[in-house]
Order: sequence, then C-alpha cells, then structure tokens
Amino acid sequence: EAGVAQSPRYKIIEKRQSVAFWCNPISGHATLYWYQQILGQGPKLLIQFQNNGVVDDSQLPKDRFSAERLKGVDSTLKIQPAKLEDSAVYLCASSLVGLHYGYTFGSGTRLTVV
Amino acid sequence: SQQGEEDPQALSIQEGENATMNCSYKTSINNLQWYRQNSGRGLVHLILIRSNEREKHSGRLRVTLDTSKKSSSLLITASRAADTASYFCATTNFGNEKLTFGTGTRLTIIP
Repeated sequence: EAGVAQSPRYKIIEKRQSVAFWCNPISGHATLYWYQQILGQGPKLLIQFQNNGVVDDSQLPKDRFSAERLKGVDSTLKIQPAKLEDSAVYLCASSLVGLHYGYTFGSGTRLTVV
Repeated sequence: SQQGEEDPQALSIQEGENATMNCSYKTSINNLQWYRQNSGRGLVHLILIRSNEREKHSGRLRVTLDTSKKSSSLLITASRAADTASYFCATTNFGNEKLTFGTGTRLTIIP
C-alpha cells in the first residue's frame, strides 16, 4: 500500500513569514495526526483529526498554527507568522480507528526558520 | 508533555551483540508501542504490546511490559549495522487513541 505522503520535504523561511505543509494519509485511515519534532526530542502531538473533525488540538499554538482536513482525506498545517522556535520536523501520521493499531508516519517536512 | 522516558539516552554496541532499551511512563496505559527513526526520516512502527500482555516477539525484537512498574523494555538480538537509529516508546491511554512519545534512545551499531 502507498505510504503517508508529505510535502514539501524541506522548507527554509524567514521569521514572521508564513508556511504550509501538506499531508495525504493512507487510503481508508480515518485518523490523522500532526506532530512537531524538535531536534533531539520525541515527537509532540499538535492536532488529531478523525475524518474531518478535530479530536484534540490542546497543544496546538492557535495564535499562529492552524490545520484543516478537507473531506476527511488530505490535511494542511499552516504557521503564520513563523518564529525561530518553530524550526523542527513536522510529521504527519495516519491510522485506522481503534486503540490497537500502530501509526504510519510520513517522511516529514524539515522547517528551518531564520 | 512527554509521557515516557527512555533509558539510556544513547547506546553504542558492537555488531552482533544484543541491545536493550528501557522506557518508563507515568500514567495508566492502554497499549505501548515502539518506533524506529532513521536519521532525517519518519518513524516506523515496530511492535505494539497491550496493557494485558507481558511479552511480545517480532523477529529479532522482544518487548516486555511491566504495568506495576510502569516500564517496558525493547531487546534487539544479534544487532546489525542497519539497526543504527533512534528508538522511541509511545503510549496510548484508555479512551484516547493519541500516541504520546518518549524522549528516545539513540542506538549506534559499530561494525
């Protein structure tokens, strides 16, 4: 089966600029997640969708981050305006509904804010 | 916030030796999962162990879970150079599919 697709692979922007990341999950996976992974740390959940509804966005900095999942399939994550501390890898993952399935991760987007 | 803490933070062993990594967590869990991350890449799911299981095997991987101590271990037997990666444990809680990751162990296999 095809994996989770993410783009772009790399992005360099100046602080205060905006940026958007795209994710296409595995077909049939109802649950989609965006994680932020700062260098040397474990991934931190930003937002969780089930179909096109938000399940958990408690750790999403809503003053600058936004995310949507159109028609319960593709998703975009946006940062506006970016700060230096947003430099990280942004990982998208998807899974089947249920508590005993592993996640499938995309390769991530490495964001550098200068 | 991070749920799990892996120990050690970094581990270097000779090829062919066994590697053991430990994970401790704070709250009751539904299941615990282990993931591998090669440098600059996404995470790959390795194995999932449910809270009512104590041990699970998959190929060269052996995972144990001790819910009384809130800890898990991952054993990789007969290590290979290709096992060089970071390994993360992650947990889900009852009623919530959200995965919470630990801080990871950086494993280096020396040829």
